[in-house]
Amino acid sequence: GQNIDQPTEMTATEGAIVQINCTYQTSGFNGLFWYQQHAGEAPTFLSYNVLDGLEEKGRFSSFLSRSKGYSYLLLKELQMKDSASYLCAVMDSNYQLIWGAGTKLIIKP
Amino acid sequence: EAQVTQNPRYLITVTGKKLTVTCSQNMNHEYMSWYRQDPGLGLRQIYYSMNVEVTDKGDVPEGYKVSRKEKRNFPLILESPSPNQTSLYFCASSLRGLAGEGYTDTQYFGPGTRLTVL
Repeated sequence: GQNIDQPTEMTATEGAIVQINCTYQTSGFNGLFWYQQHAGEAPTFLSYNVLDGLEEKGRFSSFLSRSKGYSYLLLKELQMKDSASYLCAVMDSNYQLIWGAGTKLIIKP
Repeated sequence: EAQVTQNPRYLITVTGKKLTVTCSQNMNHEYMSWYRQDPGLGLRQIYYSMNVEVTDKGDVPEGYKVSRKEKRNFPLILESPSPNQTSLYFCASSLRGLAGEGYTDTQYFGPGTRLTVL
């Protein structure tokens, strides 16, 4: 079966750095997405990786290793507004998205 | 403003009473999709549509119907709702699809509809 694993919850301190991991087992691979979802709101797109390596976008970076079935989202200089759930989703060989359950990130002052 | 809208945002209903959740996008997107989100589970796709009059089942289509008569609208219909359909529902759209040869499209999500079936 297809599976996406992420930690359920993480806690970090304002101003610090946090890394949210995502491992996957899917039928084929056509890219990996990260979305941010604030409580009670819609998911919003953060990043897309299809090749190995690190993609940086301001305070957020996303890394992919296809051989290991692994990705992480790195958030730097954490702000209170970064408190949200972070969803990992993998596009399989049929271009269907398989979603992880999300990681709830709690930022403490 | 480019957006995906859903109505209603909140709905409490009873078992068996037919309901429709509307979804509309103003971005001229071809691809539209419905998801449900339940605690501890990832987003699960219910139905999707690649264009007008073209709809396909997603992962969890049982108990749902959709139609795509116009490009901008993609309503979700529950003919006979049951308590296990209590969930948070999201409509989403993207320009052409999720991905294809040489491209990937970002999905834009609506604000969500929280449905409770008693």
